[in-house]
Amino acid sequence: AQSVAQPEDQVNVAEGNPLTVKCTYSVSGNPYLFWYVQYPNRGLQFLLKYITGDNLVKGSYGFEAEFNKSQTSFHLKKPSALVSDSALYFCAVRAGSTNAGKSTFGDGTTLTVKP
Amino acid sequence: GAVVSQHPSRVICKSGTSVKIECRSLDFQATTMFWYRQFPKQSLMLMATSNEGSKATYEQGVEKDKFLINHASLTLSTLTVTSAHPEDSSFYICSASPFRVDSPLHFGNGTRLTVT
Repeated sequence: AQSVAQPEDQVNVAEGNPLTVKCTYSVSGNPYLFWYVQYPNRGLQFLLKYITGDNLVKGSYGFEAEFNKSQTSFHLKKPSALVSDSALYFCAVRAGSTNAGKSTFGDGTTLTVKP
Repeated sequence: GAVVSQHPSRVICKSGTSVKIECRSLDFQATTMFWYRQFPKQSLMLMATSNEGSKATYEQGVEKDKFLINHASLTLSTLTVTSAHPEDSSFYICSASPFRVDSPLHFGNGTRLTVT
């Protein structure tokens, strides 16, 4: 079984400050990890993924995430937040060995960036 | 690339009628598509996995006869909500995968269903 935890329902930051959205996971085998963003009344958009290689991955819109195997974490980060980053963020995991392609999503974290 | 188109974006229907939602992969072949339901301020609830040319796999608690899924081609899956009731009102989202385990999911823009 695989699972994802996003411990914070809400993250509030001031524009220009760094932001972190936390994610921890549990999966058998090698994890394939993803971050998605959802704007109101829209589907999810892919931000970045970790498959293998460097633990720090860079993605769209200046976001990056750090894979930490020992802590089973994959926190999303951005050095300087923008008001337009305000949205709902989902972390997802998929076991590398599965052929079903089924991802497990966290409950989501609402990010609010205030001017 | 990797665009998924979902239609309609909004639909209002009367209780007892059926509604069909389409999900198309526009620039890739999707052997697998997923259908989700999302309640306000909540995570995605996977309803079913749609596999081209075979029956859909439904998650526990999802009524197969209520939510009919058809994946007749590599680019189209449909979800039909049969005999809709107000409690079926929700935001339905599809996603598609080109069946590479390291590929991200590509999502449609969702369908807001309101049953009156």
